[in-house]
Amino acid sequence: GQQLNQSPQSMFIQEGEDVSMNCTSSSIFNTWLWYKQDPGEGPVLLIALYKAGELTSNGRLTAQFGITRKDSFLNISASIPSDVGIYFCAGGYGGSQGNLIFGKGTKLSVKP
Amino acid sequence: NAGVTQTPKFRILKIGQSMTLQCTQDMNHNYMYWYRQDPGMGLKLIYYSVGAGITDKGEVPNGYNVSRSTTEDFPLRLELAAPSQTSVYFCASSYSPGYTEAFFGQGTRLTVV
Repeated sequence: GQQLNQSPQSMFIQEGEDVSMNCTSSSIFNTWLWYKQDPGEGPVLLIALYKAGELTSNGRLTAQFGITRKDSFLNISASIPSDVGIYFCAGGYGGSQGNLIFGKGTKLSVKP
Repeated sequence: NAGVTQTPKFRILKIGQSMTLQCTQDMNHNYMYWYRQDPGMGLKLIYYSVGAGITDKGEVPNGYNVSRSTTEDFPLRLELAAPSQTSVYFCASSYSPGYTEAFFGQGTRLTVV
């Protein structure tokens, strides 16, 4: 089945650092979504993007819907310890197709 | 304020047993989904439903069945449990596909031994 290429697979952060992750696809999507998952919980939506080129912020988080509609990135500025978790991108086709395609996730951990 | 509720939270099954994972949402969403999450693999769609009485297969439907008799409920049935079905299962719902966000339940961790 189709999957998104999400990178990096994991990264370590120090409090105050900026973080960047991205997703690419061989297919065009109509929607890009970014989720965060804490251990033992379901994914929680962070940002939803609906138009190519769209740049949207949610507090310290900023995400963009790529112009080609085949990629998206998520930036976290001035990271804090509670940013630790797994971040997933998801692409949606819309219309009669009801599902999202998920990336494999980026695991954010705190530097020892 | 419940959103999407899944039960049970944990379950251990023996090979060949059957069980039903329950999912209910109180947001009056038309679309509901079942995903499974394996370690390091993201989420894969098992089945989805666009409304009561209508269901369709996702990417990995083998070994599972679903029904949607009401807008609120979307149970997932495992008939003959196999070790390959050991996973974390998430139910989600959305108002419409793709253009609005999907809301997830807390998951059911299933182990088949």
